[in-house]
Amino acid sequence: EAGVVQSPRYKIIEKKQPVAFWCNPISGHNTLYWYLQNLGQGPELLIRYENEEAVDDSQLPKDRFSAERLKGVDSTLKIQPAELGDSAVYLCASSLRTEGTQYFGPGTRLLVL
Amino acid sequence: AQSVTQPDIHITVSEGASLELRCNYSYGATPYLFWYVQSPGQGLQLLLKYFSGDTLVQGIKGFEAEFKRSQSSFNLRKPSVHWSDAAEYFCAVAPRGNNDMRFGAGTRLTVKP
Repeated sequence: EAGVVQSPRYKIIEKKQPVAFWCNPISGHNTLYWYLQNLGQGPELLIRYENEEAVDDSQLPKDRFSAERLKGVDSTLKIQPAELGDSAVYLCASSLRTEGTQYFGPGTRLLVL
Repeated sequence: AQSVTQPDIHITVSEGASLELRCNYSYGATPYLFWYVQSPGQGLQLLLKYFSGDTLVQGIKGFEAEFKRSQSSFNLRKPSVHWSDAAEYFCAVAPRGNNDMRFGAGTRLTVKP
C-alpha cells in the first residue's frame, strides 16, 4: 500500500514569492493534516480536513497561508507571499476519521532566502 | 492545559546498551498515546501506539513502551540499541475520539560505536 506522498521534497525561493505544496493521502483516509515543523521542534498542526471540509484551521496564518482539498482527496497548501520565517518542514499526514493513528509523508523542506 | 513533555532533549547511548526515552502528558482523561521516529530528512514513522488494554505495548524495530496511568507517562524502551536507531523520537497524544494530536518537542538519540 502506498504511503502519503508529498511534492516537492525541497523548495528554495526568495522572500515575497509564492510557493505551493501538494499532498496525496493514503487511499481511503478521509482525514488529512498539514503540519509545520521548525528545526528541533515537534510538528504543529496548521489545518485538518475531514473529507473536503476544513474542521480545524485555527493555527493557519490566514493572511498568507491558504489550503484546499478539492474532492476530499489531494490537498494543496499555499504561501503567498513567503517570508524568511516560513523556512521549515511542511508535513502532510492522513488517518481514518474513526481511528486516530496518523501516517506521515516525507515532508517538504522550504528555504526562503 | 493539555501538554506533552519529553524531558530529555538529547540522549547519547553506546551501541548495544539499553535505552529509555521519557514522555509525560497532562490531559483530563487518558488519551491515545503514540511514539514516532524521524530520521534526518524523513517524515515521521509510527513506532507504536496505545489505545487500551495491556499497558506494555510492542512496536516495530524492537521497541516497546509502557503506559503508567499513575505517573501519566508513556516511556519508550529498547533493550539493545543499534547504530541505525540514531534519530529524533517524538511522543504524541490525542484525546480519545478526537484527532487533535499534540507532539512533544522530541528527543534526539545519538548512538556511540
